[in-house]
Amino acid sequence: DVKVTQSSRYLVKRTGEKVFLECVQDMDHENMFWYRQDPGLGLRLIYFSYDVKMKEKGDIPEGYSVSREKKERFSLILESASTNQTSMYLCASRLQGGGHSNQPQHFGDGTRLSIL
Amino acid sequence: GQNIDQPTEMTATEGAIVQINCTYQTSGFNGLFWYQQHAGEAPTFLSYNVLDGLEEKGRFSSFLSRSKGYSYLLLKELQMKDSASYLCAVLDSNYQLIWGAGTKLIIKP
Repeated sequence: DVKVTQSSRYLVKRTGEKVFLECVQDMDHENMFWYRQDPGLGLRLIYFSYDVKMKEKGDIPEGYSVSREKKERFSLILESASTNQTSMYLCASRLQGGGHSNQPQHFGDGTRLSIL
Repeated sequence: GQNIDQPTEMTATEGAIVQINCTYQTSGFNGLFWYQQHAGEAPTFLSYNVLDGLEEKGRFSSFLSRSKGYSYLLLKELQMKDSASYLCAVLDSNYQLIWGAGTKLIIKP
């Protein structure tokens, strides 16, 4: 079974802080994703990575950055946290797309982040 | 723009059948996924459809009509544990997943 582990289930930070959210997967998946999930809005893609050292902006990258130094780890960084970044953050991984388009994304349990 | 529509909330009775609809307008189509998400938990994969027709997997079935831009998830013999949100997502021409907002399903005894 695929295991995607996010470092924290709940996190409380202050406005202006630099926040790191970590995600590790154990299935050697090439693709990794960071989403935020807010009531009524569904999953919104922040950043994704096709492979090590690669990153692509998603639909809402403003205020965030990412790092993928190792294949199994994908980090999301809030450069200067703001209250509108209070949300549930979900990490996912997936076997490479293209010919494997039927491969689903596998999600971590999420980090509920509150910015005060 | 790209758009996925699902009902916000549905209510059904334990033991009954419920159909959750999803309509989509996307740039290209490379398949449609259904996920289940219990409150406070991660979404988990239920089904994938890329060809027209019905895919059955135990109590759950998923249907696709590409010409109509339409899918549904059918849940039979409903159990209380089926109370969850059900997310529809389409893989577009760039192999990016476009997500619906999800349908919250409430099961009553």
